[in-house]
Amino acid sequence: GESVGLHLPTLSVQEGDNSIINCAYSNSASDYFIWYKQESGKGPQFIIDIRSNMDKRQGQRVTVLLNKTVKHLSLQIAATQPGDSAVYFCAEFEGYSTLTFGKGTMLLVSP
Amino acid sequence: DAGVTQSPTHLIKTRGQQVTLRCSPKSGHDTVSWYQQALGQGPQFIFQYYEEEERQRGNFPDRFSGHQFPNYSSELNVNALLLGDSALYLCASSLERGSEQYFGPGTRLTVT
Repeated sequence: GESVGLHLPTLSVQEGDNSIINCAYSNSASDYFIWYKQESGKGPQFIIDIRSNMDKRQGQRVTVLLNKTVKHLSLQIAATQPGDSAVYFCAEFEGYSTLTFGKGTMLLVSP
Repeated sequence: DAGVTQSPTHLIKTRGQQVTLRCSPKSGHDTVSWYQQALGQGPQFIFQYYEEEERQRGNFPDRFSGHQFPNYSSELNVNALLLGDSALYLCASSLERGSEQYFGPGTRLTVT
């Protein structure tokens, strides 16, 4: 499949490391945020979400942190695996259910 | 349970032509949103359809239009194609009162 990662910030890690991907959002009124994973040639896939009344939410191997003061989100992936290699987007949920995506970060995991 | 499907997978058109892309939502979903994703960028919201009406629209010209059918499937039409319309076009479906959007694999449009 073709890459969606040209000109994107890239994070390179070794298999087994923990990865942290950061995202700044723009709308201080946003109250719902989602992290998506996009593999080459595929559509974005939901990873984890968080509402603005929380500052941390954990899933399986993933944790999202929200800092509303500085409008910052982070996605932490524990024990990163080669299958985690993809482009990761944060998105703000607005209006009736439309998403505003950030620029994305490419994660490269070396075996 | 089928997820979101899109057709065609790839498409090559010439400047000035018109194109129609198609989307079938996830079973049980009634809302369809379309996004344009240029290479190396995040998806950008084009518009959203619910109850066969365009409910919300992003910053795209009138050359971009759509339709939703009674079975909730949707079409995206782009007229007078420009080179800059080359992109991956993503369809996402959701419940009207829901939050999570499920994306299809996209249609890769190349305008030459």
